[in-house]
Amino acid sequence: EIVLTQSPGTLSLSPGEGATLSCRASQSVSSNYLAWYQRKPGQAPRLLIYAASSRAAGIPDRFSGSGSGTDFTLTISRLEPEDFAVYYCQQYGSLPLTFGGGTKVEIK
Amino acid sequence: QVQLVQSGAEVKTPGASVKLSCKASGYAFTTYTMHWVRQAPGQRLEWMGRLSTGNGNTRYSQNFQGRVTITRDTSASTVYMELSGLTSEDTAVYYCARDPCPSCYYNWFDPWGQGTLVTVSS
Repeated sequence: EIVLTQSPGTLSLSPGEGATLSCRASQSVSSNYLAWYQRKPGQAPRLLIYAASSRAAGIPDRFSGSGSGTDFTLTISRLEPEDFAVYYCQQYGSLPLTFGGGTKVEIK
Repeated sequence: QVQLVQSGAEVKTPGASVKLSCKASGYAFTTYTMHWVRQAPGQRLEWMGRLSTGNGNTRYSQNFQGRVTITRDTSASTVYMELSGLTSEDTAVYYCARDPCPSCYYNWFDPWGQGTLVTVSS
């Protein structure tokens, strides 16, 4: 089973600042099959990125994904008020599908 | 638009079973695989298994093997997830989530249902 470790656990930032979230895998993720989701309190997760760097439909271009192998990054170029949430990575290169523990982006 | 609507919250005693539903609308039901994912308090999201809604084939996580059963009713565009032998550790929010690949697997999730809280307590 691939274990995903996200860092930092919490990121305290102000609107307008940039955010860099890390997701590290315990072994190489096949074909860079990694997705990112956003979850706000009381809501279901929303897909942001798939295949490490492809934005899902309707996702603003301030969200970008990068990385390969075992190290992946989600970057939010300029935080909008609605971006403060918890972000999860998920690998789908091998079963069982697994998720990271999440990074909370909070308002400073 | 694609929508997944899950059944309401459940309270169960230890040892019982729970059966949750997920009603799909806005797309051809039998074309897309459905997954179930849960999140217990303070824990990470955990994939439970998937169902190919066209042929009924299933694949379960080893963590739930023998305890989870995913089925569907194509006439009602609804997927069910039954979990047996409940313990307090099964207290969690359970989500259904659609695989976006038509007649195949991407194994990522878009969209998700709203979630169902299952509480296991004596």
